[in-house]
Amino acid sequence: DVKVTQSSRYLVKRTGEKVFLECVQDMDHENMFWYRQDPGLGLRLIYFSYDVKMKEKGDIPEGYSVSREKKERFSLILESASTNQTSMYLCASTWDRGDQPQHFGDGTRLSIL
Amino acid sequence: GDSVTQMEGPVTLSEEACLTINCTYTATGYPSLFWYVQYPGEGLQLLLKATKADDKGSNKGFEATYRKETTSFHLEKGSVQVSDSAVYFCALSDQRSGNTPLVFGKGTRLSVIA
Repeated sequence: DVKVTQSSRYLVKRTGEKVFLECVQDMDHENMFWYRQDPGLGLRLIYFSYDVKMKEKGDIPEGYSVSREKKERFSLILESASTNQTSMYLCASTWDRGDQPQHFGDGTRLSIL
Repeated sequence: GDSVTQMEGPVTLSEEACLTINCTYTATGYPSLFWYVQYPGEGLQLLLKATKADDKGSNKGFEATYRKETTSFHLEKGSVQVSDSAVYFCALSDQRSGNTPLVFGKGTRLSVIA
């Protein structure tokens, strides 16, 4: 089975901190994604990557950056956390084929105080 | 661009009732279609998929048929259980490019009461 592992289930940080969310997949997937999920807004794509060191902006990249130094790991960085970034963050990965589903981690519920 | 519209929730049903969650899409080309389920406190899990017109995806008693003529992919189950309480997401993928992210609907929350 595909395993997508997010480093933390719950995280509490303070305004202005630099926050790192880590995601690792074990299926040699080319593509990896970061979403945030908020009530009433569904899933919104922050960034995605289709290869090592490659990244593409999603719908809401402002205030975030990403890093993909190895194929299996995709990190989301909040450069200077703000309270409006309190949310559920979901990582996903998939093969480089349009008919393949994305596989999701369990999510990180991040609270910025 | 591509889009997915699914019925607003929440949906509340009694155990053993029939379920239909509507999903329609707009896409150029011939997308793959997916239903995901999210149980409380968890990430999204693939429930079923269909990759071409008239395909029927099925899993755990749920079914959905890819209808190209009506651009729909409605989720159905004949008899729901309390354990089906979750949020359900319809999504599409552009088959022309594996690098294109999935497009998700906003999700429909289902509550099943005993």
